[in-house]
Formats: sequence, structure tokens, C-alpha cells
Amino acid sequence: IAGITQAPTSQILAAGRRMTLRCTQDMRHNAMYWYRQDLGLGLRLIHYSNTAGTTGKGEVPDGYSVSRANTDDFPLTLASAVPSQTSVYFCASSDRAGEAGELFFGEGSRLTVL
Amino acid sequence: GQNIDQPTEMTATEGAIVQINCTYQTSGFNGLFWYQQHAGEAPTFLSYNVLDGLEEKGRFSSFLSRSKGYSYLLLKELQMKDSASYLCAVMDSNYQLIWGAGTKLIIKP
Repeated sequence: IAGITQAPTSQILAAGRRMTLRCTQDMRHNAMYWYRQDLGLGLRLIHYSNTAGTTGKGEVPDGYSVSRANTDDFPLTLASAVPSQTSVYFCASSDRAGEAGELFFGEGSRLTVL
Repeated sequence: GQNIDQPTEMTATEGAIVQINCTYQTSGFNGLFWYQQHAGEAPTFLSYNVLDGLEEKGRFSSFLSRSKGYSYLLLKELQMKDSASYLCAVMDSNYQLIWGAGTKLIIKP
């Protein structure tokens, strides 16, 4: 039973470097999401995808890009990392795009940008 | 703006009952969620309320009052494993989730 798999689990990155966080789900969910979680703040949506081939911007999209070439994969790319992108990143999926539905989360990727 | 408020931290005793409150102001309402998140782990779904009233699920219950913009999560017969953060989230009129910062619950023996 996999659910959602994220990689890497943890990464230290120099500022200015490019980084891709990987996310794969095996539940055939249509909707996928990327959140960041910072101390004292609620989860903030970075980007989302309601179905393969489509993506949308969330609350804090600047400095991040995503793609959704197929149902299973939803990678998040930081083109040129900055220290303010130090955070824990969670990928999530739902079988209900555009409706109220339970989110299933990956285990998170802890990213430190120096 | 949209806002979700919940206490930052609460402490309770093993075997007791605790109520975690959540108040919200959002653009529209399509339901309220509670998630549990143990330290260093992913959030996991606990409950969903879209109508007023109490939903009971084992030791956990969730209450909603839409007119008051208020919900609570009630945890009974507390166990040490209930030590975690509890996240309140509201789905707005665009079906976007607005998240509270979470309530860290500390259970003492």
C-alpha cells in the first residue's frame, strides 16, 4: 500500500540551485496539490491540478512551477531556490476535484535553502 | 480576508476530555474539515461537517454551527497517542481549503 510517495524526504540546497520535488500517487485520484507548511502558519497551497494536463495557481505560487503530464505524477520545481523557500512541502491528492473531499497527504519533503 | 482561528496549544490529562475550538470567516462555505498531524508526519483526515450539528466517530466528535462560524473537535478518553496537532480547514465558495495554523495538543499522564 503506497498511497502518495514524495521524494526526497529531506534536502539541503544552496540558494540559486534548481530543485524538483517528486510526488507520485497510485490511487488514480484526479486532483493533486502542493502545500507548504511553516511554523505558526496554516498549510498554504502552492499549485494544484484538477486533472491530468491542467494546473492552477494557489495562494503562494511565486518561485514554483508544476506539471501534470499524467494522473500519477505531480512534480514541484523550484527554478532558483531562495532561503524563504525553506519549509516542509506536502503533496496531497483527492478523488474529488472541485468538490469537498478528503485529502490524502504524502509524508512530506523537508527542504532547507542556505 | 479569510481567516481561521484556533488555539495554538492545549494541555490535557490522559483519560480526560478536551475540546478544541475553531472559528472561521471565509468567502462562502462548503464544509469544515479536521485533520490530525503527529509531529514529523503527514496530516490525516478526521472529520467533515457541512451541516449544523454533532458528528460522532468513536472517541472523536466534531460540531458545527454555520451561523456562528464555529466548530469544535471533542476528544474523549484521551490517550497518549492523541498528542498531536489538530488542523481545522474550511472549504470556501471556490472549493479552496483555508487552513488554520493548528492546535498542538499535549497529553500528560
